[in-house]
Amino acid sequence: NAGVTQTPKFQVLKTGQSMTLQCAQDMNHEYMSWYRQDPGMGLRLIHYSVGAGITDQGEVPNGYNVSRSTTEDFPLRLLSAAPSQTSVYFCASSYSSHGVSSYEQYFGPGTRLTVT
Amino acid sequence: GNSVTQMEGPVTLSEEAFLTINCTYTATGYPSLFWYVQYPGEGLQLLLKATKADDKGSNKGFEATYRKETTSFHLEKGSVQVSDSAVYFCALHVPSSGGSYIPTFGRGTSLIVHP
Repeated sequence: NAGVTQTPKFQVLKTGQSMTLQCAQDMNHEYMSWYRQDPGMGLRLIHYSVGAGITDQGEVPNGYNVSRSTTEDFPLRLLSAAPSQTSVYFCASSYSSHGVSSYEQYFGPGTRLTVT
Repeated sequence: GNSVTQMEGPVTLSEEAFLTINCTYTATGYPSLFWYVQYPGEGLQLLLKATKADDKGSNKGFEATYRKETTSFHLEKGSVQVSDSAVYFCALHVPSSGGSYIPTFGRGTSLIVHP
């Protein structure tokens, strides 16, 4: 298994540009989420999904959109990039067994985004 | 609400020193507790976990015991190596009837080990 993959690894955008950060997992996990990591702020949840077709907002959703058309993929869209969105973005997945969530998170390697 | 408090870093140690990183939590219900490690330039990965009171999680020489009476889950290692230099995150998850799966993370503690 490749686990959780993210592309691109690095990206530089100009203010106002849009882009999509890709995330895919091959473990058939129901739960997927996006976090951003900033110095001194720890991890902050942007959006999450509990299954295909179901998404919800996390702690810091403004400026980001998500969709979950398949179990495997959970892309994050930046609608109009701003310098405040300069960060490292992590995608994570998790699963349940017999209706009980494992709660253990599997993280991708991250996308380092700079907005100028 | 749920919260996780970790000691501020960076923690700087010499190789073979004893490590403790403190983690305390507040939670409604009965949480599962986790330690994740993030090596430079990588994503987080699970280091160890404990799902009920008095459980001890262990992996790669690291240990943490779920202490319900003190609401703590301190990470320890008897002899650190340079390769243990990383950021360590304490986290919890509380099962709920609504099936909420959102974990709560601490802010992370940076560990620097010198030769």
